[in-house]
Amino acid sequence: GAGVSQSPRYKVAKRGQDVALRCDPISGHVSLFWYQQALGQGPEFLTYFQNEAQLDKSGLPSDRFFAERPEGSVSTLKIQRTQQEDSAVYLCASSLAISAPPNQPQHFGDGTRLSIL
Amino acid sequence: GENVEQHPSTLSVQEGDSAVIKCTYSDSASNYFPWYKQELGKRPQLIIDIRSNVGEKKDQRIAVTLNKTAKHFSLHITETQPEDSAVYFCAVGVGNQFYFGTGTSLTVIP
Repeated sequence: GAGVSQSPRYKVAKRGQDVALRCDPISGHVSLFWYQQALGQGPEFLTYFQNEAQLDKSGLPSDRFFAERPEGSVSTLKIQRTQQEDSAVYLCASSLAISAPPNQPQHFGDGTRLSIL
Repeated sequence: GENVEQHPSTLSVQEGDSAVIKCTYSDSASNYFPWYKQELGKRPQLIIDIRSNVGEKKDQRIAVTLNKTAKHFSLHITETQPEDSAVYFCAVGVGNQFYFGTGTSLTVIP
């Protein structure tokens, strides 16, 4: 595909359920980022991968959030025991960078809109 | 961590006028400053970026200026068109992270 692909586009879950969100980055992109975007706010950093290595997870709000990228391509963000405050749009971005990530443009997916009832 | 402030939060201009959005940041180690445009329900799209060794960059109707001493950078859109209406986010790159501003909702009135 030409761009970053995320699925599902919309997810509704009951409080307490586990959810898994998928991100397919642009082919060949080394760096992958997950963000959380609340309504009317800018994206907030969750975690960063370089290939399969999770180099920074300082933005994950709690230990209920877990991300992986086992083969250095597709990534999954998992949220366990969901809470209402987890409702947001979850954005994935990828970058070609192999050195300093902030110096390279990030290309975003359309996001997954998660609603917790 | 980095603290990014963006102003104004909303901006309305007449078609053909210019629009200016400003962001300030706190970490002097920040070295990459992109601007994203996000239409309702769509992905943020990079429209222009600037690196810390450059003071100004222009791409057709869009320009970005950077003042590292004052720790602020601005987005300038000239000859605005209705299709420029969207939410614009500044971001600051430092370390492994991007820090985003809170967004500016731009409305271009035909």
